[in-house]
This record gives sequence, C-alpha cells and structure tokens, in this order.
Amino acid sequence: SQQGEEDPQALSIQEGENATMNCSYKTSINNLQWYRQNSGRGLVHLILIRSNEREKHSGRLRVTLDTSKKSSSLLITASRAADTASYFCATDKSGAGNQFYFGTGTSLTVIP
Amino acid sequence: DGGITQSPKYLFRKEGQNVTLSCEQNLNHDAMYWYRQDPGQGLRLIYYSQIVNDFQKGDIAEGYSVSREKKESFPLTVTSAQKNPTAFYLCASSGRAGYTFGSGTRLTVV
Repeated sequence: SQQGEEDPQALSIQEGENATMNCSYKTSINNLQWYRQNSGRGLVHLILIRSNEREKHSGRLRVTLDTSKKSSSLLITASRAADTASYFCATDKSGAGNQFYFGTGTSLTVIP
Repeated sequence: DGGITQSPKYLFRKEGQNVTLSCEQNLNHDAMYWYRQDPGQGLRLIYYSQIVNDFQKGDIAEGYSVSREKKESFPLTVTSAQKNPTAFYLCASSGRAGYTFGSGTRLTVV
C-alpha cells in the first residue's frame, strides 16, 4: 500500500525555469523524504523534513511540509538539464518503525 | 567509501528457476529493505529486516524469500512461485538521515 502520491506524473520545463512537484499522503507521519532517481539507477536521498518543520532548503532545493493538508512540495530552482530524473517522496508511518512508503514519482524533463 | 552494493546488475532467469540477488552494505545500518520497481511505477516493498535473524513481509512478499544471517547482507531469492518476476529490484538500508539505495538489479525472465 503506497502512502505518498506525487503530482504531476510528468513535468517538462526549459532550463533555467523552476520545477515544482507535490506529494500528498494519507496518515500521520514522523518525517517525509524526497529522492531522485536517474533512469535505471538506484534512488538518491535529497532531503528529509520532519513533521515539526515547515520548510527546508538544500542548495537549489526547497521543500515545504503542510501536515494539516498532508502534503509536501519540492521546488527545484534554476533547473538544469542534469536535473532530468524521476523524483519520489517517501513517508514513514507513525509507529511503523523504519518503514517508508514511496509514491509513484514525478518524471521531470529539463530541456536545454 | 560506505555504501550498498547490489549484484549482479543484470540477471536473466529461465522460467521455473530460483535466482538470488545479492545486497551488501558497509554502513553499519541495522535495517535493510528490498523493493521492486516496475516501469513507470513507484517502489513496492517486498521484505524488510530491522535486525539480524529477523525479517518481515512487505506488501508483495509472495514468491520471494530472504535471509538476514549477517548485519551486512540481505539476499533476496526470487522463487519460481513468483509469476511475474521481470522488474528492477532495489535494496536499501536506513540510518538516521534516510535510506541509502544500491544501484539495482534488473531481472528478466527469458
């Protein structure tokens, strides 16, 4: 059972534009994470935001979390062709230990 | 360098055969996981282990088996009972900062 759902499923932008992806989830969480996956590769951890945090930055990445709406967004600013990848959110379940649930991902294409 | 190593990168299986996918980590993580990813899909949890000699079924455990005899190793066996095994398999371990993933094994049934 998947807890997180990303939106949109696919996104295509020009280099230099900002890209925003959203994630909605169903149950209470301790934290939410965003991952990136290049085609045919493993996932790379980008950023973790805890349930008591509202916003977090890492380089060109900005993540927000709204626990009242059970949603998160990932913003990539000044996108580059190298940002082309799939992006997944992962949520834990309160009380479910270390188990995380991944959404179906947003496929981002940045056109040079 | 600490990390997770999955092998082989590509694996071909004949119908009716069991195959074992290797996953080794040197991150000293207690928890390890196996996920399956189908084209254009998210990750689905097969099995996970939070400690040596203990593991739990995930959402799609049927047709798979695992063992956790050592902290560093969490091999996954895809048995002949798994009717649709062609997929990309990802192993992960988790620490305080999140999951660390291996580079995956692509299994194809021929």
